[in-house]
Amino acid sequence: RKEVEQDPGPFNVPEGATVAFNCTYSNSASQSFFWYRQDCRKEPKLLMSVYSSGNEDGRFTAQLNRASQYISLLIRDSKLSDSATYLCVVNQRGGSNYKLTFGKGTLLTVNP
Amino acid sequence: DGGITQSPKYLFRKEGQNVTLSCEQNLNHDAMYWYRQDPGQGLRLIYYSQIVNDFQKGDIAEGYSVSREKKESFPLTVTSAQKNPTAFYLCASSRDRPNQPQHFGDGTRLSIL
Repeated sequence: RKEVEQDPGPFNVPEGATVAFNCTYSNSASQSFFWYRQDCRKEPKLLMSVYSSGNEDGRFTAQLNRASQYISLLIRDSKLSDSATYLCVVNQRGGSNYKLTFGKGTLLTVNP
Repeated sequence: DGGITQSPKYLFRKEGQNVTLSCEQNLNHDAMYWYRQDPGQGLRLIYYSQIVNDFQKGDIAEGYSVSREKKESFPLTVTSAQKNPTAFYLCASSRDRPNQPQHFGDGTRLSIL
């Protein structure tokens, strides 16, 4: 099993659609989880952290299932500006260091 | 505004040449990181540093070197030993505590002439 594995995509959806991204991770000792957004030829930017209880930020909802080692991101009412690659990121501790492992990302295109 | 500054934005390297990528942050973060991104691939960790004058190899350190003489600065040198250096290089920083996200500079694109 890969350390962090995401839906391969790409996803093409119309404006206003709801879209969900899934991510699995292999290390049960992983401690924290994030979704980043990366626009074409730009740097990744933090979209949201993912908490055990699940969390919501406007149109975005993140869920974590530790038992299944699964993370999800739901985008409601998609906007054209949501078009980007979404990266699932897992932070795991190795000794005294905190290492982030990035998924390859899922490309989302929102169409008018 | 606080942030991470990478320079140059684009860099060209001749065969056999070493080049150095700059990364400066004014976020007062202890930890700094260098990643490489290839098309269609995830980010891969090259080197990281949790404190001044100390750094650790990441997953793909061969052909690269770093220094951390100041908290604010973490330059990356791509040496001639790196046989496939063409990539998008990203510098990041974070607080060196559990559950902290990393914040990225806007990257340097390195190409071979």
